[in-house]
Amino acid sequence: GENVEQHPSTLSVQEGDSAVIKCTYSDSASNYFPWYKQELGKRPQLIIDIRSNVGEKKDQRIAVTLNKTAKHFSLHITETQPEDSAVYFCAASKILGTGNQFYFGTGTSLTVIP
Amino acid sequence: DSGVTQTPKHLITATGQRVTLRCSPRSGDLSVYWYQQSLDQGLQFLIQYYNGEERAKGNILERFSAQQFPDLHSELNLSSLELGDSALYFCASSVGRQAVNTGELFFGEGSRLTVL
Repeated sequence: GENVEQHPSTLSVQEGDSAVIKCTYSDSASNYFPWYKQELGKRPQLIIDIRSNVGEKKDQRIAVTLNKTAKHFSLHITETQPEDSAVYFCAASKILGTGNQFYFGTGTSLTVIP
Repeated sequence: DSGVTQTPKHLITATGQRVTLRCSPRSGDLSVYWYQQSLDQGLQFLIQYYNGEERAKGNILERFSAQQFPDLHSELNLSSLELGDSALYFCASSVGRQAVNTGELFFGEGSRLTVL
């Protein structure tokens, strides 16, 4: 089955600096890579996603890059703000006609220091 | 609001007891997933259903069982509860019946179970 590894497990940055979280996956059949943000006690929410036919996607201060050959993808947050403090989960997924399969990383706790 | 509804939001019970958590997926979503999240832990995948059929199984204990009903709502049954079962249980749904399968997973607010 799929194995998703996520690093680092904790990350502290100064407000305004950039944060990078990296994930690797093992199954070359995975074709969809979402990132979820989870604030304390809340549900995970999708912040950005990328499909296997795209190398990079950007949405304002967040971007995701995908290297299919190396089987790794990364989340980049620029100009970090205190409200970016949360746990971030990456996932590797196969979009299937009979129910997508999702494999989550172990999470990165990001703290943005004002 | 994700459109996924979970009840109850909070539940406190004693060891050895049995509880049922309920999930209503987004309107039209065929696939339901259950995840367990213990304190400061990641999302542990328990089980997935698609249109009433079990689709994939994760690290679900034998004391736990689930099902998805014809109206697509799902229930997670936890029995012989232990202290270590205290956690936040998330339901998520995906795959709209008519819509293009974007792959997105929508989470409910979770059911917080405390076993004393």
